Amino acid sequence: QLQLVQSGAEVKNRGSSVTVSCKASGGTFGNYGFGWIRQAPGQGLEWMGGIIPRFGATDYAQKFKGRVMITADTSTNTLYLEFNSLRSDDTALYFCARWGHGFDIWGHGTLVTVSS
Amino acid sequence: QSALTQPASVSGSPGQSITISCTGTNYDIGSYNLVSWYQQQSGKVPKIIIFGVNERPSGVSNRFSGSKSGVTASLTISDLQTEDEADYYCCSYAGTLRIFGGGTRLTVL
Repeated sequence: QLQLVQSGAEVKNRGSSVTVSCKASGGTFGNYGFGWIRQAPGQGLEWMGGIIPRFGATDYAQKFKGRVMITADTSTNTLYLEFNSLRSDDTALYFCARWGHGFDIWGHGTLVTVSS
Repeated sequence: QSALTQPASVSGSPGQSITISCTGTNYDIGSYNLVSWYQQQSGKVPKIIIFGVNERPSGVSNRFSGSKSGVTASLTISDLQTEDEADYYCCSYAGTLRIFGGGTRLTVL
């Protein structure tokens, strides 16, 4: 059964960058798409963007275009979320998830804290 | 790319049924039968409970059902149980994008 294992919590300064990883364990990317979804403290889910690793095709929510880059390494079955110019309101739990029939497999989440 | 609209909260008593609405536009819900619903219990990872408007993943109780009419999707939970208390989110495919609703907190009284 595929599991998505994310990297550990990060504390970053405002204006810096962070890279969060998500490794597919117990399986491969296949032809599936994957998304990054964040959840600020006490807030709802927000889709940031996604990638189809087999083809390298990416899409981003308008809000994050220019600040976010999503990549995938098919040799290690690992996804990456690179987030630049961090602001205090980017403090959130960041999830990767597989888009199969909906977002059917989720990572455990990576807490990114942006401190001033 | 505005969030889909959900009521902030709903409540019901054990054994009752409740319905949560999710309103979008002709660019998302109105154009695709790719609405999914997620249950997020406190402190946990979201779990998919409905995909493709009205399909249930294996292992999800048949007390959960979904539907769609025009630009509005709905999640119905019948025979409410105390363990159903959670936040619920809808999500729609929108071309190559995905859009979530703001979430609805279900309280089981």
